[in-house]
Formats: sequence, structure tokens, C-alpha cells
Amino acid sequence: NAGVTQTPKFRVLKTGQSMTLLCAQDMNHEYMYWYRQDPGMGLRLIHYSVGEGTTAKGEVPDGYNVSRLKKQNFLLGLESAAPSQTSVYFCASSPAQQGRGYTFGSGTRLTVV
Amino acid sequence: ILNVEQSPQSLHVQEGDSTNFTCSFPSSNFYALHWYRWETAKSPEALFVMTLNGDEKKKGRISATLNTKEGYSYLYIKGSQPEDSATYLCALGDTGRRALTFGSGTRLQVQP
Repeated sequence: NAGVTQTPKFRVLKTGQSMTLLCAQDMNHEYMYWYRQDPGMGLRLIHYSVGEGTTAKGEVPDGYNVSRLKKQNFLLGLESAAPSQTSVYFCASSPAQQGRGYTFGSGTRLTVV
Repeated sequence: ILNVEQSPQSLHVQEGDSTNFTCSFPSSNFYALHWYRWETAKSPEALFVMTLNGDEKKKGRISATLNTKEGYSYLYIKGSQPEDSATYLCALGDTGRRALTFGSGTRLQVQP
């Protein structure tokens, strides 16, 4: 009964380094999302996917790329990390039909120094 | 970018008090309004999903109402308990994009 699993849970990067955050869900959900959470700003949508092989930009996509090669996985990439990308990143998934809430992962705390 | 506003930003109540929060949103292109409960060091958990004007949902001591015509939703907690302490998020789904826009939350602290 894993739900949504995010790896890693914590990471410290140097400016300019790259990394990939992995989100995996075992609920056969169609939709997946990446949000970032910063103090006083709530959850802001970075990118999302409505199905395998499809992705779309959210409110704050700059500096991030995503891929959804398999239905159960949604990857978030930082090509050249910047201090402004220090944040807590949450992945979520949901079924396609209306009336169902999101299931969130436990978050990844990323610090860029 | 949709503007989803929640008030108050934070709330301190005593155990046993009843309380309510407001979520305001633009009513055009509405398709769903979600409420989530987010405890410290945990992930947000879905409380309610409402899609119809006039919807009322209830789970134990927590209930929510929805007015899509005027663009607001209320979340009520009856007889608050210390374990209700959390941040309560509302989120709007609109027809233009299949992803939720979240408000910044109402942080509730219930004193024993």
C-alpha cells in the first residue's frame, strides 16, 4: 500500500549541478503533478501530466524539465540548479475522473547552495 | 494564473471551540473545489472534493459548503480538538487546465 513514493527525501546541491527527482505511484492513476512549496506561498504547480508520454507546464516551469515515459513514474529534472530552486517538492497523483482528491508523496527537501 | 484566497491566514482556538475558514475563488470556468488537511511533517490529505453549487460534505466533526456562483467555500470544524491542529488548504480545479491551483492555507492551532 505504498501510494506515491518520492526519492530522494533530502538533497543538497551546489549551484550548477543537475539532479532528477523520481515520483512513483502504484494506484494506476492517470494524472501526475509536481508542486513546490515555499514559505508563505502555498503549493505552486511546476509541471503536470495527464497520461503516459504527455506533459504540460504549470505556473512555475522555468528551470525544470519533466518526463512521463511510464504511467507509474513522473520525473522532475533540474539541469542547472540555482539557489532559487531551494524548496520542498511534492509529487501527487489522481485518477482521471472528477470527484477524487490527489494523493501526495512525502516530499523532497532540496537545498541549493 | 487563478487567484485562490484563504482566510484567515492563521487561527488559534481553545479545545472545544467551533471554527470556520473561507476559501474564495474566481467562479468562471469552475469544475471542482478541493479541501486538504496538512499536518506538520506529513503530506496533504484530501478531505473533500465538491463539484456542484450548493454541495455540502461532512466527515465527522468537519464539514464544508460550496457556492460556485459567488465563488466561495466554507470549512467548519465543530468542537475543535488538539489533533485538528494542521494547515487546511483549499484548491480550485478549472476547466482550462487539469491541475489544481492551491490557496496558501489556513493554519489552525487548537490549545488543550
